[in-house]
Parts: sequence; C-alpha cells; structure tokens
Amino acid sequence: GAVVSQHPSRVICKSGTSVKIECRSLDFQATTMFWYRQFPKQSLMLMATSNEGSKATYEQGVEKDKFLINHASLTLSTLTVTSAHPEDSSFYICSASRTAGVNTEAFFGQGTRLTVV
Amino acid sequence: AQKVTQAQTEISVVEKEDVTLDCVYETRDTTYYLFWYKQPPSGELVFLIRRNSFDEQNEISGRYSWNFQKSTSSFNFTITASQVVDSAVYFCALTGRGGGYQKVTFGTGTKLQVIP
Repeated sequence: GAVVSQHPSRVICKSGTSVKIECRSLDFQATTMFWYRQFPKQSLMLMATSNEGSKATYEQGVEKDKFLINHASLTLSTLTVTSAHPEDSSFYICSASRTAGVNTEAFFGQGTRLTVV
Repeated sequence: AQKVTQAQTEISVVEKEDVTLDCVYETRDTTYYLFWYKQPPSGELVFLIRRNSFDEQNEISGRYSWNFQKSTSSFNFTITASQVVDSAVYFCALTGRGGGYQKVTFGTGTKLQVIP
C-alpha cells in the first residue's frame, strides 16, 4: 500500500509557541490531504481538507487562524498549530489519497502526539 | 450526513475467546465504502479492510472476519481465537460520494482488551 509519513511523531512545546507538523506522501502524489484530531479516548474528527495550491477547507468549529495548513506540493502538507495552549494537546493525524473518485483509499500517517505544557 | 455508531465502548475477553465488534452506519450515498482500522497504544492507524457498498460478501482473513449486512446497515467485525496482541482500539469508518470518497467519518471506537 501507499505510504504516508508524518513528522514528528511526538512533540512537546511550551504554551504560546507554534508547532509545525509535516505530512508527506512518499510514493504517490496527493492533490488532497486531510487533517484529523483525536482527543484522548475519543474518535478522530476531521479538522480540515488540504488542497494543493489553494486554501484549505476547514470544518465547522476549527479556527483557521490557529491551525494553519499549507499544501505547497503534491507530496507535502503542513499543519502549524499557532500559539499553542494546553487544550491543543491532542493526537493529530493526516491522510492522503492517490486520486479522487470511487475506487480510492485513504492512507494515514503515523500521527503526531502534541503535548503543550 | 454520515454517521458511524459503535455502541460498544470497551470489551474485555479472555485470550482464545471469539469477539465481535459491532458497527452501524448511516449514509444517504448509494455508493460508499466501509472500513475497519486498528489503533494500538502507539497511536498509528492500521488499515484492516475496505468494503464497497455493492459487495455484500462476507470476508475472512486469517482470524479476522467481517459481516456486511446492507439491510441493517451493519458492518460487524469478528476476531476468532483472540490474542493479547489484538488489544487495541478498533474504529469502524465510512466514506461516501458526499466526501469525495476521501473524507473519512469515524465511529467512536471500541477498546478491546484481551486478557491472557
């Protein structure tokens, strides 16, 4: 199957600082990537859809100015948590698909566990 | 709107027992895909199966089997002869035309604990 790599896998940052998480599709081009967030003992919730070369589409309730998404190339999307606070501590995971359409499958990265202290 | 319901929050079984994880879904799409993922304590999502809405054949893969019942909108997952390594959170998920077949709607997950 296709490989999606996320970096870093774990990060601890101080409150008020910004953290960047990278999501790379290693062996295919992804025009669209998705970012999910998972709070402890909860399910994964879609935060935003990252589109190569255009602005991301955010789900309701997700602050676009706080969670900056950049999809600079067909193999890389980044999520920057700006001015992080302890309540932003969560597991962030990205996914990417080869193509849009019926016969597709989303491949997930390994996830990034963010702890804000 | 799409919705995936996993009514079982946590299940504990003794090793070698069989266990079934329930999944009920809602969607208005006529074409959709159902998934099961395993999330071990390390956090990564491990893909287990994808099933499209037109294929109601049950599937078996080793100790794993899946029962897709379109009439009841269910996609249940059975682990036969469970092992300690099966301990994880299992998510049932759904994609459909409304999300371009890429946005994944997850259930709330079922935490499975297999006791040695």
